[in-house]
Amino acid sequence: QVQLVQSGAEVKKPGASVKVSCKASGYTFTSYDINWVRQATGQGLEWMGWMNPNSGNTGYAQKFQGRVTITRNTSISTAYMELSSLRSEDTAVYYCARYRVGSSDYWGQGTLVTVSS
Amino acid sequence: DIQMTQSPSSLSASVGDRVTITCRASQSISSYLNWYQQKPGKAPKLLIYAASSLQSGVPSRFSGSGSGTDFTLTISSLQPEDFATYYCQQSYSTGSFGQGTKLEIK
Repeated sequence: QVQLVQSGAEVKKPGASVKVSCKASGYTFTSYDINWVRQATGQGLEWMGWMNPNSGNTGYAQKFQGRVTITRNTSISTAYMELSSLRSEDTAVYYCARYRVGSSDYWGQGTLVTVSS
Repeated sequence: DIQMTQSPSSLSASVGDRVTITCRASQSISSYLNWYQQKPGKAPKLLIYAASSLQSGVPSRFSGSGSGTDFTLTISSLQPEDFATYYCQQSYSTGSFGQGTKLEIK
């Protein structure tokens, strides 16, 4: 069965970076794009960016341009999302999701990133 | 960027009710519109993709319609497990979401 398993919760100081991993199983990792979405507590969903695991091509929401980097390691079927220059407003749950037929059909369990001094 | 606007932001309804949630895009997105359901503490769940296609395993009481800029999600007969927050998302350009509609028990 398709599964996306994300890394555990992180606590970071303002100005630091965080790297969240998303390990895929149950399908061919390079066959489907991966999207990253975040959700601050009590708020809505915010799309951050996408990656094609086969080519490594990426695209990012304008809001995060220059601060977010999505990468992958195909040998271990894992995608990564790194967010730099963290501020308190980046405190959120970060999700990865498989992208198929223009939609995110399988999601990771979410990773809470807390930014606090 | 394409802006997605949902209405209403919240809605109270009873089990058995027919409910409709609307989503409007700031420009035409053809049929590149998805609907998700999210329950507290859980990841979103895909309900409808390409405006009107039902995701595998999703009950047939959920349906979607629309194209261009105006879309609707309809739940034909609310069940207790349907009380949740619903989001639309466009996949025409990047992937912006609507602000969500919280469906509560009346």
